[in-house]
Amino acid sequence: SQQGEEDPQALSIQEGENATMNCSYKTSINNLQWYRQNSGRGLVHLILIRSNEREKHSGRLRVTLDTSKKSSSLLITASRAADTASYFCATVPRPGNQGGKLIFGQGTELSVKP
Amino acid sequence: DAGITQSPRHKVTETGTPVTLRCHQTENHRYMYWYRQDPGHGLRLIHYSYGVKDTDKGEVSDGYSVSRSKTEDFLLTLESATSSQTSVYFCAIRTGTDAGLTDTQYFGPGTRLTVL
Repeated sequence: SQQGEEDPQALSIQEGENATMNCSYKTSINNLQWYRQNSGRGLVHLILIRSNEREKHSGRLRVTLDTSKKSSSLLITASRAADTASYFCATVPRPGNQGGKLIFGQGTELSVKP
Repeated sequence: DAGITQSPRHKVTETGTPVTLRCHQTENHRYMYWYRQDPGHGLRLIHYSYGVKDTDKGEVSDGYSVSRSKTEDFLLTLESATSSQTSVYFCAIRTGTDAGLTDTQYFGPGTRLTVL
């Protein structure tokens, strides 16, 4: 079963606007990660937030984590057409995850229109 | 891309035939993973390896086997391909040394498999 549920499933915005994607998960985690996938390509790691962190920034990306609500959000500021892609959250559950397995959500499809 | 290649990149095969997909890494990472990606399901873990000849099952392992005889290669075999195994298959390696706190996975470009 999928650990993560992402919301919305699809998001369409204009260039320059901010995009916010949300992820909820079910179990305790070591960390939560966000990945981007351009159409027909592999996944690219964007950012990782540890379970003891609440917010993290990387360039135009801002990730928040609320472990009490088991939820995370990814904010992309000042979006560009090149940000058009699918975005996935993935968690590293604990305990009992000896293999460091990632559990993925189903993704949010972001379309940024010029 | 963390030095990960997958071969073949595209394959069309018929039901009942065996298929082997190869993942190759150049950076000597201990952990390697095979996922499949299907519409509506995101990525699901098939098998993973934590060293040469050390493998374990993931969420959707039925109908698949894996082997790792060298650190750099992780093979995924569909013993008798079925149409339900039509999918995009991704290999990944894991970096990090602090027991999962900051481990990150890096993905290969994927193999698109069609089973007719």
